Amino acid sequence: QSVLTQPPSVSGAPGQRVTISCTGSSSNIGAGYDVHWYQQLPGTAPKLLIYGNSNRPSGVPDRFSGSKSGTSASLAITGLQAEDEADYYCQSYDSSLSGGRVFGGGTKLTVL
Amino acid sequence: QVQLQESGPGLVKPSETLSLTCAVSGYSISSGYYWGWIRQPPGKGLEWIGSIYHSGSTYYNPSLKSRVTISVDTSKNQFSLKLSSVTAADTAVYYCAIDSSGFDYWGQGTLVTVSS
Repeated sequence: QSVLTQPPSVSGAPGQRVTISCTGSSSNIGAGYDVHWYQQLPGTAPKLLIYGNSNRPSGVPDRFSGSKSGTSASLAITGLQAEDEADYYCQSYDSSLSGGRVFGGGTKLTVL
Repeated sequence: QVQLQESGPGLVKPSETLSLTCAVSGYSISSGYYWGWIRQPPGKGLEWIGSIYHSGSTYYNPSLKSRVTISVDTSKNQFSLKLSSVTAADTAVYYCAIDSSGFDYWGQGTLVTVSS
């Protein structure tokens, strides 16, 4: 049972927009801690996609965007492409774990 | 370009200690940042194990804290993970990463299997 809750799967057709939610609580996202998002392509290490709630590292397309409100955060992907098919994870911090890092359970994105 | 590379035995016997090292190139550990270990059991999600600051201060996942030791060797520009009393549930791909604004850079990961 992950501290951060994500839907197990989402899907969308090429060109569409999809969102992935990450729901936490008052001890993590709701406490003001940053949320980061990772993309994991099959057989590879995760890659930082969004940091600090809504910032994209250099090289990440602007089709990917992040937002945070209250005890939740969201990752949006617009103009869906076949290469976006991957697992996506959110990550934050938790005051009940002395600032320890916590991950969501992951969401499998399928491009139809 | 920062690069991280995990190394260590791919097979560990139950009840023994898992030991991994992460060699860092392209950046000096002693310059700053936290350095973390994350694992991923086959077919499952990511689990943070712990992180260490360049000075040696540590954060551990409470669920693993009693069995985990993370240390840093700035002279070799590497940091290490020890996980004691392993069981089959510790079988996973183990990743090392820079723990900054999120885990910025990751190693490729190394599969550790716990089996007799």
